[in-house]
Amino acid sequence: SQTIHQWPATLVQPVGSPLSLECTVEGTSNPNLYWYRQAAGRGLQLLFYSVGIGQISSEVPQNLSASRPQDRQFILSSKKLLLSDSGFYLCAWTGLSDIQYFGAGTRLSVL
Amino acid sequence: QKEVEQNSGPLSVPEGAIASLNCTYSDRGSQSFFWYRQYSGKSPELIMSIYSNGDKEDGRFTAQLNKASQYVSLLIRDSQPSDSATYLCAVNIGGGSNYKLTFGKGTLLTVNP
Repeated sequence: SQTIHQWPATLVQPVGSPLSLECTVEGTSNPNLYWYRQAAGRGLQLLFYSVGIGQISSEVPQNLSASRPQDRQFILSSKKLLLSDSGFYLCAWTGLSDIQYFGAGTRLSVL
Repeated sequence: QKEVEQNSGPLSVPEGAIASLNCTYSDRGSQSFFWYRQYSGKSPELIMSIYSNGDKEDGRFTAQLNKASQYVSLLIRDSQPSDSATYLCAVNIGGGSNYKLTFGKGTLLTVNP
């Protein structure tokens, strides 16, 4: 069966510090991968998605970037965090169907 | 702008009642529709997917799709306190090779014992 791993679960970072969040999927190959952010009391905002290694589509211009160095690995990064980067970050994947399955999420607090 | 709208809530129902959650979408080309449940502090989990007009039932949950009216709903029968959560409607706006889902802002459901 397929599983998605996302870490860390929680993160507290100072303004201006770098960020690296990692997501990996097991049990499938060539998944579509997604990064979302959910700010407090708000909906899911799609940040990036990838349909293959090295292929990244950005949905919202901002202080973040994404990379897909391996087939089942998706990384969200920032060089300098802003207060507005705080939120709940979710990684998701799809396989042959278009159903998206989510990881457990990372709660990021930028102070 | 292609959008997904949900009834704003919050919605409160007594235990054992039917909860009705509604969602409209803007793009007639949409082909795939999903309902996710999100408990506070947790990630969304899929409850139902529906692709064709009509009803789809899974246990206490029924999804209803009307593409002509651009409307999708979720009915929860015999609501339980454990159903208390935010329900997210998601639509594959544009369908086809569009790999993305557009989510509504969610409806908070509270089931009172």
